Amino acid sequence: AQSVTQPDIHITVSEGASLELRCNYSYGATPYLFWYVQSPGQGLQLLLKYFSGDTLVQGIKGFEAEFKRSQSSFNLRKPSVHWSDAAEYFCAVGAKAAGNKLTFGGGTRVLVKP
Amino acid sequence: NAGVMQNPRHLVRRRGQEARLRCSPMKGHSHVYWYRQLPEEGLKFMVYLQKENIIDESGMPKERFSAEFPKEGPSILRIQQVVRGDSAAYFCASSSGLAGGRNQETQYFGPGTRLLVL
Repeated sequence: AQSVTQPDIHITVSEGASLELRCNYSYGATPYLFWYVQSPGQGLQLLLKYFSGDTLVQGIKGFEAEFKRSQSSFNLRKPSVHWSDAAEYFCAVGAKAAGNKLTFGGGTRVLVKP
Repeated sequence: NAGVMQNPRHLVRRRGQEARLRCSPMKGHSHVYWYRQLPEEGLKFMVYLQKENIIDESGMPKERFSAEFPKEGPSILRIQQVVRGDSAAYFCASSSGLAGGRNQETQYFGPGTRLLVL
């Protein structure tokens, strides 16, 4: 069975500073990886996804993520955080063998200080 | 292009009542997924449906919960005889189905229905 771990429950970052959110997955074959963002009281918005190919993936809102098979990781990064990036971020893994269902990590809540 | 629509956005029920949550997928999408998010937790898969078919219900509680996606109309998640532990946000996602079952589909999420059981 696949699983996803987001080790950081909360992260506080200053506006303009860089941000990195960690995601580790467990799955026996090649996973499909996603990052979603959820603002308070809202649904999930897809930031980026990795299916195959280039391991550095560019997403919306200036985010990028790098797939590292050797570390079973898919960390999300942003060079310069804006106040509007305050939200909860979820990493998810899907797998062909799992029939499309996504397994989510517990989420990382990001607080942006002025 | 309308995204995934869910209604109601908020639903309050007393213990023992029934809750019906509706989901209209994105235009052109024929696959629907339901997830539940308990307070302070991540999302957990419940059920995956195509039109008139349940594909995977491995995440659904065995009792009181059911889901359908009829040929016409929205997908419905039904919870009978609700209990306080059912209080959660219920999210619907949809995908196009164009991968034909061979590859992972990208899922697009609705705004969720927040169910409160008193």
